Amino acid sequence: AQSVSQHNHHVILSEAASLELGCNYSYGGTVNLFWYVQYPGQHLQLLLKYFSGDPLVKGIKGFEAEFIKSKFSFNLRKPSVQWSDTAEYFCAVNARRGNNRLAFGKGNQVVVIP
Amino acid sequence: DTAVSQTPKYLVTQMGNDKSIKCEQNLGHDTMYWYKQDSKKFLKIMFSYNNKELIINETVPNRFSPKSPDKAHLNLHINSLELGDSAVYFCASSHLDRETFNYGYTFGSGTRLTVV
Repeated sequence: AQSVSQHNHHVILSEAASLELGCNYSYGGTVNLFWYVQYPGQHLQLLLKYFSGDPLVKGIKGFEAEFIKSKFSFNLRKPSVQWSDTAEYFCAVNARRGNNRLAFGKGNQVVVIP
Repeated sequence: DTAVSQTPKYLVTQMGNDKSIKCEQNLGHDTMYWYKQDSKKFLKIMFSYNNKELIINETVPNRFSPKSPDKAHLNLHINSLELGDSAVYFCASSHLDRETFNYGYTFGSGTRLTVV
């Protein structure tokens, strides 16, 4: 079964700083990759996803992620964060020819200080 | 128009009680899921149904029983609630484009269950 690792669970940074969250997955086959955001007290919202094509994916709210197949990675980036980016960020993966299971990493809690 | 709706949003109940959480999706998706988010925010899949058929059943106590009367509904019934069942439960649905293998997942707003 596929699994996902996210490092640096707690990230604290100031507004206008750049953000990069690492995500590595473990699975031998072809995968689809996702980043979700969960604002305090709210449900999961899709930031971006990769399923084919250009490995550099642009999502909502100025986020982007790059799929590097050789490194089994799908890191999330934002060049300049805002206070409103304070949230929990989850990387997720599913197997292209699997049972639709979406496996999540443990999340990164990001706090942006004004 | 809520795409994946769960009820109730909050549920506080005593240990030993039996409770149900309902989920409905109006997206025409063929697969539905239940995820549990614990106090550390970790999201773990519990069940998945495809066209009313159970396809994923993780290691979940058999006090938890999903029921899918049709492909637009997936309800979660929990018997003999325990303190450790306190969590946020998310319902989700998905659709697969079989040409591009582009999966689209949509999550409900969650049900915060507190067992006292």
